[in-house]
Amino acid sequence: DQQVKQNSPSLSVQEGRISILNCDYTNSMFDYFLWYKKYPAEGPTFLISISSIKDKNEDGRFTVFLNKSAKHLSLHIVPSQPGDSAVYFCAASDPGGTPLVFGKGTRLSVIA
Amino acid sequence: NAGVTQTPKFQVLKTGQSMTLQCAQDMNHNSMYWYRQDPGMGLRLIYYSASEGTTDKGEVPNGYNVSRLNKREFSLRLESAAPSQTSVYFCASSEVYYRVLTRIKNIQYFGAGTRLSVL
Repeated sequence: DQQVKQNSPSLSVQEGRISILNCDYTNSMFDYFLWYKKYPAEGPTFLISISSIKDKNEDGRFTVFLNKSAKHLSLHIVPSQPGDSAVYFCAASDPGGTPLVFGKGTRLSVIA
Repeated sequence: NAGVTQTPKFQVLKTGQSMTLQCAQDMNHNSMYWYRQDPGMGLRLIYYSASEGTTDKGEVPNGYNVSRLNKREFSLRLESAAPSQTSVYFCASSEVYYRVLTRIKNIQYFGAGTRLSVL
């Protein structure tokens, strides 16, 4: 049973526009959420995170929003750049610090 | 700062052969992990080690064994490789921080991966 779901396998966005990547979770014990970015032939790299005590966290062009009641989070990239083209993984952690649970990823293509 | 180093980067095995994937981290992290990534399946946890001297099974442990050699090193062994084990393998490490205001902070750092093909 998938605890972290990324329902869109792929997304295409024009350069300069906003990219919105979505993630849903089912485990109400999760209280820390992360986004990772992965380029081909490289390992995933940490992008941004949010604790459940917040509903928004911003870092430059990247903003993560958390809606606890809906068990939903989203990553906004504004403005999108061709270098943002990658696979984005959503991940979640519970208070016990057990291993992160990952979604299956969304492939973002930013078209120039 | 090397971070998480995996060796080898590529490997081709025949069915039934054995091999060990090596992983080392220089961030003094207590926890280490092995994942596999398959098309459309995301990152699936094979085994992890919360601290030196402990190991636990993840989502897909069958056909694998692990050894936490010391705090820095965590190896993954395939005793008798099968074509179903063709995948990209990632090692990761993390330190779990507990803070009053933000509570938990658990960021995993990944190696570059080992691409394994079993024929």
